[in-house]
Amino acid sequence: EPEVTQTPSHQVTQMGQEVILRCVPISNHLYFYWYRQILGQKVEFLVSFYNNEISEKSEIFDDQFSVERPDGSNFTLKIRSTKLEDSAMYFCASKDRVEKLFFGSGTQLSVL
Amino acid sequence: AQSVTQLDSHVSVSEGTPVLLRCNYSSSYSPSLFWYVQHPNKGLQLLLKYTSAATLVKGINGFEAEFKKSETSFHLTKPSAHMSDAAEYFCVVSDGTNAGKSTFGDGTTLTVKP
Repeated sequence: EPEVTQTPSHQVTQMGQEVILRCVPISNHLYFYWYRQILGQKVEFLVSFYNNEISEKSEIFDDQFSVERPDGSNFTLKIRSTKLEDSAMYFCASKDRVEKLFFGSGTQLSVL
Repeated sequence: AQSVTQLDSHVSVSEGTPVLLRCNYSSSYSPSLFWYVQHPNKGLQLLLKYTSAATLVKGINGFEAEFKKSETSFHLTKPSAHMSDAAEYFCVVSDGTNAGKSTFGDGTTLTVKP
């Protein structure tokens, strides 16, 4: 079965540093998403992306966050100046027009 | 608007006994519903999905779920639990639009005792 690939699997960074989380969605998919899960909490929607623009974003997705699909295959989440509370597992997901959402394995971000 | 409530934060069963994980939802649209499983330190794996076809949905690893519109429920069941079923389970509702975001329940931790 096709897979969504996320790299790195673990990312450790210092507070205030910029991080870029990378995702390779399934090749024929059109809709892309980022979710996060803080340890012990529920999975939260961050942002959806379609046709090279953000479709919807949550309150969490403030000016520190941005997404990009730079080359037609990668889908990245950038956090400009990380905070301690950004530590979480970040999941990328993609889907085509059919209602089946594929998730990646996640990137565990630790902000020290 | 949409929301999902998983009625049990923890469920503990003995190996070989049935599993029932309960989920209720609300949605302004005709929803799509999913169950995902997350094993420790792993990503999210789709167990099964309901998208307005048959109300009884069969998934992987012997799991199934029944969509009951009158009760706004989508409970996950399995006739006989296996030790490897121990994990976190998430019920998810999506608004059914093409770009629709998904809303996760709080999760249910399933423990399977030998």
